[in-house]
Amino acid sequence: ETGVTQTPRHLVMGMTNKKSLKCEQHLGHNAMYWYKQSAKKPLELMFVYSLEERVENNSVPSRFSPECPNSSHLFLHLHTLQPEDSALYLCASSQDTGPSSYNEQFFGPGTRLTVL
Amino acid sequence: GESVGLHLPTLSVQEGDNSIINCAYSNSASDYFIWYKQESGKGPQFIIDIRSNMDKRQGQRVTVLLNKTVKHLSLQIAATQPGDSAVYFCAEISSGSARQLTFGSGTQLTVLP
Repeated sequence: ETGVTQTPRHLVMGMTNKKSLKCEQHLGHNAMYWYKQSAKKPLELMFVYSLEERVENNSVPSRFSPECPNSSHLFLHLHTLQPEDSALYLCASSQDTGPSSYNEQFFGPGTRLTVL
Repeated sequence: GESVGLHLPTLSVQEGDNSIINCAYSNSASDYFIWYKQESGKGPQFIIDIRSNMDKRQGQRVTVLLNKTVKHLSLQIAATQPGDSAVYFCAEISSGSARQLTFGSGTQLTVLP
């Protein structure tokens, strides 16, 4: 058990739908991350939050909107997605972020998203 | 730009044999390297890490070797077991702010009975 949970595990949505992915970490960490994992491609970092503030936004289209209401919860709001957005969306958490040291990231099981 | 890549997309080994998974990186500023294992239906799981001031680190049945001269990283799994079947990713962290991971594309390891 990694201590990071994600819901739903599977999601199928049309291009006009609005949905949200949820991530919760039970590890007392201060940093949370969203990654996209497409077939045969490396994991792509999407967003980083540290102490509920967004510290990184890697040129992600505005149809993906993150929300971090507290250090334990992270959401990814989806609207007007495209079929090429179909992928596994992974959430991770770490003790902190910062240049002084590396903090191990713990991953959730992911949400398998299919956009029709 | 910087990249982390794996030499082979798939690797099949007999149960009980040793496995070696390779990874090349191009960012000479990377100072920390990590190997992750991802089983089907699960998120990546940390296996072992190594700092750039080391050339070898051993864990339980796993060894990571780092060759900074040629920017090459390898993961060795001793006495490979069926439970080792998974996708293995290398990742690197460059020195500087944010300490973000850059992942390679992954190698699928299949353990044959």
